[in-house]
Amino acid sequence: EAEVAQSPRYKITEKSQAVAFWCDPISGHATLYWYRQILGQGPELLVQFQDESVVDDSQLPKDRFSAERLKGVDSTLKIQPAELGDSAMYLCASSLGGAFTDTQYFGPGTRLTVL
Amino acid sequence: AQKVTQAQTEISVVEKEDVTLDCVYETRDTTYYLFWYKQPPSGELVFLIRRNSFDEQNEISGRYSWNFQKSTSSFNFTITASQVVDSAVYFCALSENNAGNMLTFGGGTRLMVKP
Repeated sequence: EAEVAQSPRYKITEKSQAVAFWCDPISGHATLYWYRQILGQGPELLVQFQDESVVDDSQLPKDRFSAERLKGVDSTLKIQPAELGDSAMYLCASSLGGAFTDTQYFGPGTRLTVL
Repeated sequence: AQKVTQAQTEISVVEKEDVTLDCVYETRDTTYYLFWYKQPPSGELVFLIRRNSFDEQNEISGRYSWNFQKSTSSFNFTITASQVVDSAVYFCALSENNAGNMLTFGGGTRLMVKP
């Protein structure tokens, strides 16, 4: 069964350092999402891509976060510099299209700890 | 504005008991989709079910069943004869026609099934 791949699974860093997360969506899925999930809460959307274009990044803290999907396949989410409040699970999801009817399938996530 | 409420933050049951997880949603749209996801300790969000706003038929899949009632804006999830492997955090989510493909998640319900 096709899955969304993410790496690394765990990342520990010190504040002010740069971190990057990678996501490979299910083959053929045009839409890719990055979510942040704070412990004890539901995921919240950071950014949505349709192919290589950003569809929605209204919740992305652009002063320190950046995301790209250069060839419309895999994607990288970067934080620079990391802050203590960035400690969370970062989840990647993909869907066949970008319609509200499409089911989003999630990867295993990257658990970030900022010290 | 969309909103999803899962009032039960934590439920503990003994194996073989039946358990119902509640989900109440708010939306002004007449066309929307509701989802349930399971998040085991490993962290990955596992898709369980998708239901559109025009289909109020209850659904059963093995030990899982879902009760959708538009009159009360609820989409409840019942596990029959619970098992230890059902222990996880369960999230209800909403996508709305007027909100693109953004998923709004509830806060989740942590289910603990004890042997």
